[in-house]
Amino acid sequence: KAGVTQTPRYLIKTRGQQVTLSCSPISGHRSVSWYQQTPGQGLQFLFEYFSETQRNKGNFPGRFSGRQFSNSRSEMNVSTLELGDSALYLCASSGGETHNEQFFGPGTRLTVL
Amino acid sequence: AQSVTQLDSQVPVFEEAPVELRCNYSSSVSVYLFWYVQYPNQGLQLLLKYLSGSTLVKGINGFEAEFNKSQTSFHLRKPSVHISDTAEYFCAVISTLSNFGNEKLTFGTGTRLTIIP
Repeated sequence: KAGVTQTPRYLIKTRGQQVTLSCSPISGHRSVSWYQQTPGQGLQFLFEYFSETQRNKGNFPGRFSGRQFSNSRSEMNVSTLELGDSALYLCASSGGETHNEQFFGPGTRLTVL
Repeated sequence: AQSVTQLDSQVPVFEEAPVELRCNYSSSVSVYLFWYVQYPNQGLQLLLKYLSGSTLVKGINGFEAEFNKSQTSFHLRKPSVHISDTAEYFCAVISTLSNFGNEKLTFGTGTRLTIIP
């Protein structure tokens, strides 16, 4: 079974631009969560989607948004990028028999210049 | 709400020596506990998890952890480390009230384990 995939793996943007990151969960998983990882703040929860609905949201500004499609693939969008948005963005999927475990993708490294 | 404390940000250990990475948590509800490992430029990989039952859980790569409810701890141990264990280790908790895989995972700040040859 293929793991969680994230595209692109690396991204460089400038301040003020917007960016869209993509995550494909493990086949059969219906829940997708997003986390931001930075050296200063560590791993922080952004939001979680289940069956195309946002079920849970972390403490991030409205510039961070997401969505989930009917095939469970998810995208997150960051608008009006700031230098502080530079981070590794991790996607995790869960579901099926191992619903208590979240499986992580390799992440997208976003650099904002 | 939950919180996780990993007191040691960095732990250097000689190869083949034992290691313990400490994790303490705080929660107003029951939690499941996890240890993840992150190798450079990679995502997180699950090492082991405690859901219920025996408080001593064994994971991959020879790691084990013991859940101590009275001390709210979930320390990770390995009797003999290898160079390949060099990585960052994260302790995480999630409320047992989560349904079908969610609420959010709450992570500790991580412990960087460095193996000295």
